[in-house]
Amino acid sequence: DGGITQSPKYLFRKEGQNVTLSCEQNLNHDAMYWYRQDPGQGLRLIYYSQIVNDFQKGDIAEGYSVSREKKESFPLTVTSAQKNPTAFYLCASSTTGTGFVASYTFGSGTRLTVV
Amino acid sequence: GQQLNQSPQSMFIQEGEDVSMNCTSSSIFNTWLWYKQDPGEGPVLLIALYKAGELTSNGRLTAQFGITRKDSFLNISASIPSDVGIYFCAGQATWEYGNKLVFGAGTILRVKS
Repeated sequence: DGGITQSPKYLFRKEGQNVTLSCEQNLNHDAMYWYRQDPGQGLRLIYYSQIVNDFQKGDIAEGYSVSREKKESFPLTVTSAQKNPTAFYLCASSTTGTGFVASYTFGSGTRLTVV
Repeated sequence: GQQLNQSPQSMFIQEGEDVSMNCTSSSIFNTWLWYKQDPGEGPVLLIALYKAGELTSNGRLTAQFGITRKDSFLNISASIPSDVGIYFCAGQATWEYGNKLVFGAGTILRVKS
């Protein structure tokens, strides 16, 4: 079955450490996205990528980094520069042509907690 | 970045009640979407609306794309316990946001005890 997989489901990080969240899709989608979800704030876009080896900053990119070396994978690194990293992180993927909205698919999320 | 204004922020439902929520924006969108998120999971698409004035149903759910293209509403009829969760509206406007979606802050549906 095609889908998008995020791992791990729960992640604990000590202050000052970098941590990488995994996102893999086998939907053959060209575009991939990372969102951050905080209570009462909806989904805010961190980074997105429309094609391999290219990515763009979203609305809240500071303190985060990404790579897109393979079509299937779009890992997100939360760096020590991110002041308040505790949140629920969602990865999504989609096609890029007309009608892409119907293809938009989310992963099950990773809950990151700084201890 | 632009976010949509979604209301109410939260509401309590009793089984059998009808529920309404809406989403407004200062910008025009050419697509409106409604998602549901269960706790600890990613959002799942409920309804997509592509034309101003469009009214679409999916079982007990009905959504409309506002005539002005700046708003949308979602109704749930005869609510059941499994309707609890967070409902998000999302808009898409190619000329402004390309392939990205803009999301509302969500409406949390809880069960009245």
